[in-house]
Amino acid sequence: DQQVKQNSPSLSVQEGRISILNCDYTNSMFDYFLWYKKYPAEGPTFLISISSIKDKNEDGRFTVFLNKSAKHLSLHIVPSQPGDSAVYFCAASVYGNKLVFGAGTILRVKS
Amino acid sequence: NAGVMQNPRHLVRRRGQEARLRCSPMKGHSHVYWYRQLPEEGLKFMVYLQKENIIDESGMPKERFSAEFPKEGPSILRIQQVVRGDSAAYFCASSRLAEKYNEQFFGPGTRLTVL
Repeated sequence: DQQVKQNSPSLSVQEGRISILNCDYTNSMFDYFLWYKKYPAEGPTFLISISSIKDKNEDGRFTVFLNKSAKHLSLHIVPSQPGDSAVYFCAASVYGNKLVFGAGTILRVKS
Repeated sequence: NAGVMQNPRHLVRRRGQEARLRCSPMKGHSHVYWYRQLPEEGLKFMVYLQKENIIDESGMPKERFSAEFPKEGPSILRIQQVVRGDSAAYFCASSRLAEKYNEQFFGPGTRLTVL
């Protein structure tokens, strides 16, 4: 029962261009969504979050968009940098409790 | 301001032994969560604890696995009689008290290998 899906296992982007990572969810009770970045052999690092009452949240180069009717969110990274190369996980929760993660998307930023 | 601490970082056990994984949350955080990541998969929730209480253990296997978060000291995830399928990365996360939208901050993980 995959409640959070990241359908693209990998994404390759040129340095300086935009990276768009997508995430779909099925549980309409989710009210909080987060993006984490993970390097090999390290724990996930929190990037940005959005509550269900908003449709956009921006933090520096990172912007998260939420489309509740489509049950879809996306993370935009502009401009992409080689140091952004990592695995990106989308996660969702109900009332800030346990997180349900997607399977992750490997982002490669080419210089 | 130290982050979430986990130890050991790597743990090797033979089948049938016990594994104990420790987690110290960030300062000021009283909520602890344990997640497991199997190879090529995302993180899966196991258990959510507050001091001396298990709040949600819906992701914990029914047998051999237990967790605690005592009044003093770190949270412990205990796996008895380990089997090869328990080999995974185990991550602990913590969050602050009483906020509706809680970012969870993760530790570096413990990589358990069962021989």
